[in-house]
Amino acid sequence: QQNVQQSPESLIVPEGARTSLNCTFSDSASQYFWWYRQHSGKAPKALMSIFSNGEKEEGRFTIHLNKASLHFSLHIRDSQPSDSALYLCAGGGSALGRLHFGAGTQLIVIP
Amino acid sequence: EAGVTQSPRYAVLQEGQAVSFWCDPISGHDTLYWYQQPRDQGPQLLVYFRDEAVIDNSQLPSDRFSAVRPKGTNSTLKIQSAKQGDTATYLCASSLNWASAETLYFGSGTRLTVL
Repeated sequence: QQNVQQSPESLIVPEGARTSLNCTFSDSASQYFWWYRQHSGKAPKALMSIFSNGEKEEGRFTIHLNKASLHFSLHIRDSQPSDSALYLCAGGGSALGRLHFGAGTQLIVIP
Repeated sequence: EAGVTQSPRYAVLQEGQAVSFWCDPISGHDTLYWYQQPRDQGPQLLVYFRDEAVIDNSQLPSDRFSAVRPKGTNSTLKIQSAKQGDTATYLCASSLNWASAETLYFGSGTRLTVL
């Protein structure tokens, strides 16, 4: 059973800051890793995914995966107030269709 | 392209009452998921279907919860006798297929409050 832990639980940063969100997972057999973003009262929406060790960048967002240390992270460059949301990491492995979500990090970006 | 549609948007019940949630997935998506999201927590999988078949319902409280997807399209999640602990947002999601590499597309959810 996959256990996904996120830290910190909440984060308040000023506009323009670099923000780092962390996720650890328990199942070393996990192969698929996702970040979803959920604005208040809205549906979670896929942000980025990575399926092998390393780094992936899309615009202001970068994700890192280190399977050896069971660590997955999201970094936001030049944080904007519109980035304020609940960020959910999720991992999936051998069980098809089964993604396990963490409890989320609530990010607030102050203008 | 239409997204995942859920109804109702909100539901308020007394303990012991029944409620049904309805979900219309994205056309062509063969996999449908029901998640429960308590306030300030991440989504927790209740059940998922591939077409009309239940793939995993191990986290569904079977004594009070049931879910069906009879024609492999729309789905209904029902709570027979709601408890205060069921208070949460119920999210439906669909994906093109059941591979973990596929993106989940979520509906806006049904926010349930059990008094």
